[in-house]
Amino acid sequence: AQSVTQLGSHVSVSEGALVLLRCNYSSSVPPYLFWYVQYPNQGLQLLLKYTSAATLVKGINGFEAEFKKSETSFHLTKPSAHMSDAAEYFCAVSVQGAQKLVFGQGTRLTINP
Amino acid sequence: DTGVSQDPRHKITKRGQNVTFRCDPISEHNRLYWYRQTLGQGPEFLTYFQNEAQLEKSRLLSDRFSAERPKGSFSTLEIQRTEQGDSAMYLCASSSKDRSKYSGANVLTFGAGSRLTVL
Repeated sequence: AQSVTQLGSHVSVSEGALVLLRCNYSSSVPPYLFWYVQYPNQGLQLLLKYTSAATLVKGINGFEAEFKKSETSFHLTKPSAHMSDAAEYFCAVSVQGAQKLVFGQGTRLTINP
Repeated sequence: DTGVSQDPRHKITKRGQNVTFRCDPISEHNRLYWYRQTLGQGPEFLTYFQNEAQLEKSRLLSDRFSAERPKGSFSTLEIQRTEQGDSAMYLCASSSKDRSKYSGANVLTFGAGSRLTVL
């Protein structure tokens, strides 16, 4: 079975600072990895996904994530935080042939002016 | 494409009552998913349909829960004899069948959810 652990339920950064949200996965087979964002009163939106092509994946809104097999990690980064980035972020894992995503518990990102 | 619609957005009910949630997926998507999200947690998988066939159910889906997708379009999730522990956000998502070699990497499009409060 696959699982995801997101380190830090709440991350706070200053506007313009680096954003780093951590995600570690567990899977006995090569994983597919996703980051979703959830704004208040809205559905989850896909930020980016990894499907075994390039290990550095670029997503929307300036976010990117790097797949590191040796560290079983898929951390999400953004060089410069914007106030509009404040939201809840979820890392998720799936595998070949699976039909469902397994989500982490989420990280709430707060941006300080 | 109007996205995934869920109704109602909020439902407050008394313990023991039955509730039903409706999900209208993106029209060309043949896959539909239900997830449950409690406060401070990530979404947890409940069940999945491909067209009208319910192909997978989580152990979280007790006998009081039933989901249908009668014509392969909209879906309903019914909870009978609600309990306070059923209070959560119920999320619906849809996707199209991934015909690429990356089966399992389907992108799910989520609705805004139906929030249930059981008093």
